[in-house]
Amino acid sequence: GAVVSQHPSRVICKSGTSVKIECRSLDFQATTMFWYRQFPKQSLMLMATSNEGSKATYEQGVEKDKFLINHASLTLSTLTVTSAHPEDSSFYICSAYREPYGYTFGSGTRLTVV
Amino acid sequence: GESVGLHLPTLSVQEGDNSIINCAYSNSASDYFIWYKQESGKGPQFIIDIRSNMDKRQGQRVTVLLNKTVKHLSLQIAATQPGDSAVYFCAESPNQAGTALIFGKGTTLSVSS
Repeated sequence: GAVVSQHPSRVICKSGTSVKIECRSLDFQATTMFWYRQFPKQSLMLMATSNEGSKATYEQGVEKDKFLINHASLTLSTLTVTSAHPEDSSFYICSAYREPYGYTFGSGTRLTVV
Repeated sequence: GESVGLHLPTLSVQEGDNSIINCAYSNSASDYFIWYKQESGKGPQFIIDIRSNMDKRQGQRVTVLLNKTVKHLSLQIAATQPGDSAVYFCAESPNQAGTALIFGKGTTLSVSS
């Protein structure tokens, strides 16, 4: 079956620093990748949609200069949280799409900014 | 779905009971719906899906019902087990295949033995 690996699973960083989160489709090439953010006891909120070789499409209210998405290949997308602040602390989840597998989710990254 | 920042509703059941989790979706043009289970600290896990040309689909111990008239989706879990305790989300795909899934509010299912 389709597997998406997300790394790291947990990260703690200091306020003002940047953090990179990787999302890899292990056994398939993803047509599209998606990034979500989830605050405690809330639903998954779509941040951006990413296609290989093109600029990501960000949802309204998501700062593209703060949340940098790079989709360099059909198997790898990265999300970089720049100049992180405590309010960026959240659970970040990626998803990869490819027929016939549909949507496959990563295991998430818990970001804590101190 | 109504993906807003509100606290998740909770459903508490006894082991062996049947559970029904409901979801209202927002986009009448959505044609693909998925139910996910999410355990604490993990990513969503696929349970069952349904396309808009169907109104019912069954899996192992789970059934999804779709009512397009009122834009309502439900997940029925038969003989609920403690291992079913988790947060359940419905998700809709608004347009063509491969567009982003939009998640509903979610429901916390708590199963006591």
